[in-house]
Amino acid sequence: EAGVTQFPSHSVIEKGQTVTLRCDPISGHDNLYWYRRVMGKEIKFLLHFVKESKQDESGMPNNRFLAERTGGTYSTLKVQPAELEDSGVYFCASSHVGWSYEQYFGPGTRLTVT
Amino acid sequence: DQQVKQNSPSLSVQEGRISILNCDYTNSMFDYFLWYKKYPAEGPTFLISISSIKDKNEDGRFTVFLNKSAKHLSLHIVPSQPGDSAVYFCAAKGNSGYALNFGKGTSLLVTP
Repeated sequence: EAGVTQFPSHSVIEKGQTVTLRCDPISGHDNLYWYRRVMGKEIKFLLHFVKESKQDESGMPNNRFLAERTGGTYSTLKVQPAELEDSGVYFCASSHVGWSYEQYFGPGTRLTVT
Repeated sequence: DQQVKQNSPSLSVQEGRISILNCDYTNSMFDYFLWYKKYPAEGPTFLISISSIKDKNEDGRFTVFLNKSAKHLSLHIVPSQPGDSAVYFCAAKGNSGYALNFGKGTSLLVTP
């Protein structure tokens, strides 16, 4: 079974530009999550999809961040316009709906805003 | 305000001995706790979990203990192996959603 995949693995952009990150969850996982880790800090929750619906977006930092999950499969996270403080590693995770709460993480996308 | 705290940034243990990683939390509404292991340039890998209604869960060399009154949990690895060297994250889930709250991690080094 393939794990969670994320693309790109690394992105370097200038302040003010737009970047789109992609996540493909484990097949059959209806729950999809985005997290972010900025340097020196803990991994922080951004939002949670159940299929194509946003279940919880309480962690989204501001309206420069837009997450979508059209069709309930892969998800994208767009940052527009990017700011220096957006630099960090963005992780995607997925899980089953049901009895367990374990989330399975992808390798992350390292975003550097210069 | 950080609700999950791992106060030891690093830990060094000899191969074959016990590794004990600690985690404290402040939110009494957390109902599920997880430990993740992370190697450089990889995502966190799920290791073991425990529900708030239990005080111990064991899986092979890994045991997680939960002390709800102290709001403290620990991960025991016995015996420790060099391949266990990684950063270990404690995470907790609130009872109203699925979001995980993470600690900053403890870097474990197991020396031969």
